Amino acid sequence: EAQVTQNPRYLITVTGKKLTVTCSQNMNHEYMSWYRQDPGLGLRQIYYSMNVEVTDKGDVPEGYKVSRKEKRNFPLILESPSPNQTSLYFCASSSYRDMNYGYTFGSGTRLTVV
Amino acid sequence: DQQVKQNSPSLSVQEGRISILNCDYTNSMFDYFLWYKKYPAEGPTFLISISSIKDKNEDGRFTVFLNKSAKHLSLHIVPSQPGDSAVYFCAASSGGGADGLTFGKGTHLIIQP
Repeated sequence: EAQVTQNPRYLITVTGKKLTVTCSQNMNHEYMSWYRQDPGLGLRQIYYSMNVEVTDKGDVPEGYKVSRKEKRNFPLILESPSPNQTSLYFCASSSYRDMNYGYTFGSGTRLTVV
Repeated sequence: DQQVKQNSPSLSVQEGRISILNCDYTNSMFDYFLWYKKYPAEGPTFLISISSIKDKNEDGRFTVFLNKSAKHLSLHIVPSQPGDSAVYFCAASSGGGADGLTFGKGTHLIIQP
């Protein structure tokens, strides 16, 4: 089944403790991106990647890092999480061949930073 | 600076009638426009897209219209069904989709029986 898989689904952590949210897709997509969803703000893009080793900042990149060493994986790293990073996070992927079908999203990761 | 705007936070429509969701954008570099449907605690689900070279795209009950001169697009759902109740997000992309999506804040569509 074609899908985007995020782990974990839920995470509660403490301020300052480094964490990584993994994202993997099995569709051989070139494009991958991360979003956060907050009440009243919709979905905002954090980082995106056009292909392996190519990443760029989205609208809200502060406090986050990403890497794209392999085509299928695009982890989101929070080096020193803070409470304002408590949010619902989504990873998504697509391809230049498939833009008529949009981006495919993962099921989300609910992060709470205390 | 919000590049994609959905000015109606919510919309209530009677079952069987037409639902029209609106979206405005400011960035003339956008070349793909998409609509997503979202339920709480789930990822957005792709509904329909339109390229900037077209002005209309249809898929079953869903039609998207694009007015480039007005920088406006709309999603029509006909006929509206109870299962259509959800939050709908308008999204746009430039560079053929390579730079990800810019979303509006969403419209909560409620279909009344």
